[in-house]
Amino acid sequence: AAGVIQSPRHLIKEKRETATLKCYPIPRHDTVYWYQQGPGQDPQFLISFYEKMQSDKGSIPDRFSAQQFSDYHSELNMSSLELGDSALYFCASVERYRRGTDTQYFGPGTRLTVL
Amino acid sequence: DAKTTQPTSMDCAEGRAANLPCNHSTISGNEYVYWYRQIHSQGPQYIIHGLKNNETNEMASLIITEDRKSSTLILPHATLRDTAVYYCIVRAPMKTSYDKVIFGPGTSLSVIP
Repeated sequence: AAGVIQSPRHLIKEKRETATLKCYPIPRHDTVYWYQQGPGQDPQFLISFYEKMQSDKGSIPDRFSAQQFSDYHSELNMSSLELGDSALYFCASVERYRRGTDTQYFGPGTRLTVL
Repeated sequence: DAKTTQPTSMDCAEGRAANLPCNHSTISGNEYVYWYRQIHSQGPQYIIHGLKNNETNEMASLIITEDRKSSTLILPHATLRDTAVYYCIVRAPMKTSYDKVIFGPGTSLSVIP
C-alpha cells in the first residue's frame, strides 16, 4: 500500500540558512500534519492543513511557514535556522470524512541537522 | 482529550506475549483509545484503536476494560523488531477528531533474545 512520502530524508544546513521539507500524503488523503521530534523527545505537533487551508497550529516558530498545494502535498519552509531546529520532522496524513476512520499515517521523516 | 498513564519501560522475552498497560481513568464515553509505536528514529506507526469492544488485527489485540478506564495492548508473539516506544492515546470522537495526535511519554518496550 502507498505510504506517506517525505523528502529529503536527510538535510544538513548551516545556521541562518533556509530549508524546505516536502510531504506527499497517501493518495486521496486531504489533510496533512507536521510534527517535530527533538533528540530524546516525543513528537510535537507543529501545524496542519485541510483542503489547502491551515486547520490547526501548534508550537511552530514564526520563522517556519507551511502550505498545502492543490495536489495535497505540503511543504514546510524554515528560515533563519538555529541549532535547536535540529530534529526529525514527520508528516502525517488522513482522509478527512472518510467514514469510519480518522487514523493518521506517518511518513518516515526528514532528519534536519543544523551546524 | 483524556490523559493517559503508561509504564516508562518494559522488557519482554522474544516469542512471548507482550502486554502493555495504559490507564485512562478520565476517558469520556465517546473517546477512542489509539495505540501507535515508534521504532527508533522511524515515523510513528499506527497499531490499533477501539472504543469499548476488544479489537484484534494482524499486529496486535486491544483489550479495553468494561469501565473503559484502562486498556492493554497485546503483541502475541514479540520479536526483536517489536522493540519500540509504544504510545497510548485517547482521542475525541471521530467526527471532531481531525486534530493533532498528542504524544505522551509512552512505554519503551525492549524485546530480549
